[in-house]
Amino acid sequence: SQTIHQWPATLVQPVGSPLSLECTVEGTSNPNLYWYRQAAGRGLQLLFYSVGIGQISSEVPQNLSASRPQDRQFILSSKKLLLSDSGFYLCAWSPGQGSNQPQHFGDGTRLSIL
Amino acid sequence: AQSVTQPDIHITVSEGASLELRCNYSYGATPYLFWYVQSPGQGLQLLLKYFSGDTLVQGIKGFEAEFKRSQSSFNLRKPSVHWSDAAEYFCALDTGRRALTFGSGTRLQVQP
Repeated sequence: SQTIHQWPATLVQPVGSPLSLECTVEGTSNPNLYWYRQAAGRGLQLLFYSVGIGQISSEVPQNLSASRPQDRQFILSSKKLLLSDSGFYLCAWSPGQGSNQPQHFGDGTRLSIL
Repeated sequence: AQSVTQPDIHITVSEGASLELRCNYSYGATPYLFWYVQSPGQGLQLLLKYFSGDTLVQGIKGFEAEFKRSQSSFNLRKPSVHWSDAAEYFCALDTGRRALTFGSGTRLQVQP
């Protein structure tokens, strides 16, 4: 069966520091991969999605970037964190073939910026 | 543009009572709809999905949802709520743009 892993689970970082959050998927190949952010008391906002290695689409302009160095690895990064980057970050995957497939989420990373 | 509205930010029900969480969508074509549940500090778990066919969809944990095209709604229901159902529930719409449009969520509290 397919599984998705995110780490770290929690992270506390100072303003201006770099960021790297990692997400990996097992048990499937060529998945679509997504990064969402969930601010406190709000819904989910799609940040990036990827349909293949090296293919990244950005949904909103921001201080963050994403990379997909391997088929089942998706990384969220920042060179300099801002206070507004605090939130709960969720990685998700869906089957690469077929449309309108449900997305399956990891357990999330809670990022606090000091 | 597509959108999903969950009118109830917070709902409290007694254990054993029935539950209905509302979801309304706006989309010009056939919608593909999902309900997810999120426990505190956790990721989202898929409860059920509607793609086509039978408008009453059964999901996990005893949940069901009914798609009503005339009302642009996809309400989630459960006949008898358990304390473990306390969580936040999200309705989501897939328009084929490779991204889900989520509602803002409904937080469910269950009273003993």
